[in-house]
Amino acid sequence: QQQVKQSPQSLIVQKGGISIINCAYENTAFDYFPWYQQFPGKGPALLIAIRPDVSEKKEGRFTISFNKSAKQFSLHIMDSQPGDSATYFCAASMEGAQKLVFGQGTRLTINP
Amino acid sequence: KAGVTQTPRYLIKTRGQQVTLSCSPISGHRSVSWYQQTPGQGLQFLFEYFSETQRNKGNFPGRFSGRQFSNSRSEMNVSTLELGDSALYLCASSAQKGNTEAFFGQGTRLTVV
Repeated sequence: QQQVKQSPQSLIVQKGGISIINCAYENTAFDYFPWYQQFPGKGPALLIAIRPDVSEKKEGRFTISFNKSAKQFSLHIMDSQPGDSATYFCAASMEGAQKLVFGQGTRLTINP
Repeated sequence: KAGVTQTPRYLIKTRGQQVTLSCSPISGHRSVSWYQQTPGQGLQFLFEYFSETQRNKGNFPGRFSGRQFSNSRSEMNVSTLELGDSALYLCASSAQKGNTEAFFGQGTRLTVV
């Protein structure tokens, strides 16, 4: 019940296309859902986060869509660029806890 | 504002030894969490500290321990190292306790030989 399942494991998108990564969770006590971007040799960097009281949050080219009834959330990267090539992790945590439960990661490659 | 600083960046240790890793959070942040990252298991939570108190602990053996100092700096210690402890150890800093924004350092790459 503590798991967060992320798909796909790897994704190749053409420059200018839309990259979509999906995550699903079981634990309804989760109430904070961040996405992280990680480049090789670096720590994860917080991209964008959402709480269940909204269904969508947009920051620049990055959008989180959240479906509370389906217990799913996704990251959309619009106008994908080669510089977006990285590994992306979704995560979830419960109220009052800083403990993040991470998905397994998606290696995204944007072809020029 | 300086980010999260972890030292050392790289470490090679022999099986059976112990190791101490250090993390300095973002100035003003009082919550520090530690994670282990491996290709097989991904990112796994180790423990969380706030105001020098451990608030949460992940599912790791007692060989893994940590502490936080009054200036919010944190250390984690691994005793009796095993080959399987080879991993990237990441520290995350948050302004408050509870599920708020967490900012990661670059990590310490530990190799056990």
